[in-house]
Amino acid sequence: GNSVTQMEGPVTLSEEAFLTINCTYTATGYPSLFWYVQYPGEGLQLLLKATKADDKGSNKGFEATYRKETTSFHLEKGSVQVSDSAVYFCALSDRDGGFKTIFGAGTRLFVKA
Amino acid sequence: DTGVSQDPRHKITKRGQNVTFRCDPISEHNRLYWYRQTLGQGPEFLTYFQNEAQLEKSRLLSDRFSAERPKGSFSTLEIQRTEQGDSAMYLCASSRSGQGSTGELFFGEGSRLTVL
Repeated sequence: GNSVTQMEGPVTLSEEAFLTINCTYTATGYPSLFWYVQYPGEGLQLLLKATKADDKGSNKGFEATYRKETTSFHLEKGSVQVSDSAVYFCALSDRDGGFKTIFGAGTRLFVKA
Repeated sequence: DTGVSQDPRHKITKRGQNVTFRCDPISEHNRLYWYRQTLGQGPEFLTYFQNEAQLEKSRLLSDRFSAERPKGSFSTLEIQRTEQGDSAMYLCASSRSGQGSTGELFFGEGSRLTVL
């Protein structure tokens, strides 16, 4: 079955540091890939997405590239801010999986001023 | 449209009682999903509907859990004879289907269940 594995947290960075959160997936079909974010006290919301190989999703300075050859979708940001402190979830959805979205366990990010 | 709404936001109940959660999706979305999230974990899929049809239910889901979406609009999730292990955040999400859909989910803020 489909699955998502992401790096364990928490990740603690200083402001303006470079961020990478690794994500790899297993899927039988051709999934769409997502990063969702959960800010403290708020609901899950979509951060970015990519629907086919080599697509790059981007939003709010975050980027992730759909790499079919390595089955990865790593999240990156060049310069994090305190306001980026949140939990980040990698996820996938595909037709073979019945269109349900499968989530990773989440990675908590703390950014210090 | 203000997004996905869930009610109640927080429910405290005693073990053995029944509880029901309601979800109102974004009006033009025909897919509706229920997830469960425990502390430090990602959302775990429970079930989903396309219009009023329940298309999939997690094999991990106990028979004490039942969900309905009678008119293809709002949905209810009922847990019978609650157990302490049912304590979690129950999330509802909706999405569009059809051509051009990418499977993006829109989540409500969740219903937190505490079973004493």
